[in-house]
Amino acid sequence: NFMLTQPHSVSESPGKTVTISCTRSSGTIASSYVQWYQQRPGSAPTTVIYEDYQRPSGVPDRFSGSIDSSSNSASLTISGLKTEDEADYYCQSYDSSNQNRVFGGGTKLTVL
Amino acid sequence: EVQLVESGGGLVQPGGSLRLSCAASGFTFSSYGLNWVRQPPGKGLEWLSYISSTASPMYYADSVKGRFTISRDYAKNSLYLQMNGLRDEDTAVYYCARGSTSSSHLDYWGQGTLVTVSS
Repeated sequence: NFMLTQPHSVSESPGKTVTISCTRSSGTIASSYVQWYQQRPGSAPTTVIYEDYQRPSGVPDRFSGSIDSSSNSASLTISGLKTEDEADYYCQSYDSSNQNRVFGGGTKLTVL
Repeated sequence: EVQLVESGGGLVQPGGSLRLSCAASGFTFSSYGLNWVRQPPGKGLEWLSYISSTASPMYYADSVKGRFTISRDYAKNSLYLQMNGLRDEDTAVYYCARGSTSSSHLDYWGQGTLVTVSS
């Protein structure tokens, strides 16, 4: 079993770039795909990145995902920040030892 | 258009039972695995359970194993979560989510149904 650890919160100004990390506690980050979900208050989560770096149709290319084996972490980078990007972001992966899906604790992004 | 609509939430006493439903439409129901995910008020997402496209295998988080049962009805294009032995800490919004065919990605989500466990 492993955990995914995210910073509790990040903040940045409009137009800037922010990166949210997701660190896997054990096992290798590259062994299972990582997804990123955006959740605005009162709404269900929606995907912004799937399978490490893929973007669903309709998600702007300001959103990008990456994997860093040296830090055993995944990252979500949002460039050209807009106030509408303000939301909670969750990473998610798969634990092959028990076939469970695993979520990170979530990161609250504030754009101010 | 893919749609997932949960129902069945409500107020239940500790120790009680509740069955959640998720009506699916807009895709070939028998081709996709399905998940239940919950979110306690003000907290993060917790994956609970998965059922494959063929109804077996099924997997559960340790927090609900032995208390919750996932099932699906192909004739009704519906997913269910039978919840027994409910505890205060089970209070949450419960979401159903479709599983991608290529990975553990949860590609479509319902709007959720609120379950409140309280005396």
